[in-house]
Amino acid sequence: SQQGEEDPQALSIQEGENATMNCSYKTSINNLQWYRQNSGRGLVHLILIRSNEREKHSGRLRVTLDTSKKSSSLLITASRAADTASYFCATASDSGGSNYKLTFGKGTLLTVNP
Amino acid sequence: DGGITQSPKYLFRKEGQNVTLSCEQNLNHDAMYWYRQDPGQGLRLIYYSQIVNDFQKGDIAEGYSVSREKKESFPLTVTSAQKNPTAFYLCASRQGGADTQYFGPGTRLTVL
Repeated sequence: SQQGEEDPQALSIQEGENATMNCSYKTSINNLQWYRQNSGRGLVHLILIRSNEREKHSGRLRVTLDTSKKSSSLLITASRAADTASYFCATASDSGGSNYKLTFGKGTLLTVNP
Repeated sequence: DGGITQSPKYLFRKEGQNVTLSCEQNLNHDAMYWYRQDPGQGLRLIYYSQIVNDFQKGDIAEGYSVSREKKESFPLTVTSAQKNPTAFYLCASRQGGADTQYFGPGTRLTVL
């Protein structure tokens, strides 16, 4: 079952603009993570936010989490053509334990036009 | 270089044949995972293993089998019972107690 649902499914912007992607989930979580996937490649971890956090930053990335609305957003500022990729949110119901697994959404395809 | 390797990158098989996908990691990670990705879709969990000689079914285990005889290796066999095996298969690993997963480059399987 897929817990996270990203919105929009596809996003096309110009270089230099900001890109915002949203993720909604259904059940309570321990943490939410964002991953990036270039076409035909494996996923790369970008950032993790825990259920007791509301906002985190990493470079040009800003993630927010609203557990009351069961939603998260990923903001990429000053986008570059190299940011073109699919972005996935993934949720975990516990933290690194013996039965730890992630549930992924379907992703947002971001295209940054030069 | 530390990381996860999957081989081959592209794999073609005839319908009705079993095929084994390789996943090796030299990160000394305890847990390993297999996911399936279909076009325009997210990742769906097939099997995962937290320790050697132990593994659990994920959401779509039917038609697949795995083994975990060594910490660094977690091969996935796609059997003839899998109704629609053509997909992109991703392997991942995770250090025990940590929350993030590290992914291999994937194997694209096409069944003709």
